[in-house]
Amino acid sequence: GESVGLHLPTLSVQEGDNSIINCAYSNSASDYFIWYKQESGKGPQFIIDIRSNMDKRQGQRVTVLLNKTVKHLSLQIAATQPGDSAVYFCAEPPPNNAGNMLTFGGGTRLMVKP
Amino acid sequence: DAGITQSPRYKITETGRQVTLMCHQTWSHSYMFWYRQDLGHGLRLIYYSAAADITDKGEVPDGYVVSRSKTENFPLTLESATRSQTSVYFCASIAVNYGYTFGSGTRLTVV
Repeated sequence: GESVGLHLPTLSVQEGDNSIINCAYSNSASDYFIWYKQESGKGPQFIIDIRSNMDKRQGQRVTVLLNKTVKHLSLQIAATQPGDSAVYFCAEPPPNNAGNMLTFGGGTRLMVKP
Repeated sequence: DAGITQSPRYKITETGRQVTLMCHQTWSHSYMFWYRQDLGHGLRLIYYSAAADITDKGEVPDGYVVSRSKTENFPLTLESATRSQTSVYFCASIAVNYGYTFGSGTRLTVV
């Protein structure tokens, strides 16, 4: 598959451990955030989202935490599996919030060691 | 997976040639998007469309043209390809607010 980004921040974890992927945002008015997962050779896939009126949202093995004070969100993956190896992007609507657009962060590569 | 299809999967073209990347979705989603993905830049929006016959520029529209005569199709044309347009191109559509579904991408190489 194609290279998503050779210079991406990389997180390497052992299979079974928990993973935490971080994302900082700059627009304090942002009220909605999404995490996407992109496996090699594929398009990004929606994982989980969170609105700014929440601090935490849980899905299946994933949890997103939002800290509006420091404009930071994180994606936690419990019991990381080899299939979780991918690049993870956070995304938010742009400041003008027009047209259902999303602005994507640079991404973090997660590598799971067996 | 079924729903949003991009073609071709891979394309090599020469500088100066016109090339069109196809995107087709089966859900009748109103919004569709074209992104390019490059090393060190992540995903950048080229053009988007809110409905048939309604298109608008994104962050990096120069050198690209789009059309949307039918809701299900959103082709992206490079009028005169340049090496800087070598990239992976992703088409997406929206199911619910901001819940994008992406195609599998087209890897375009301009030589």
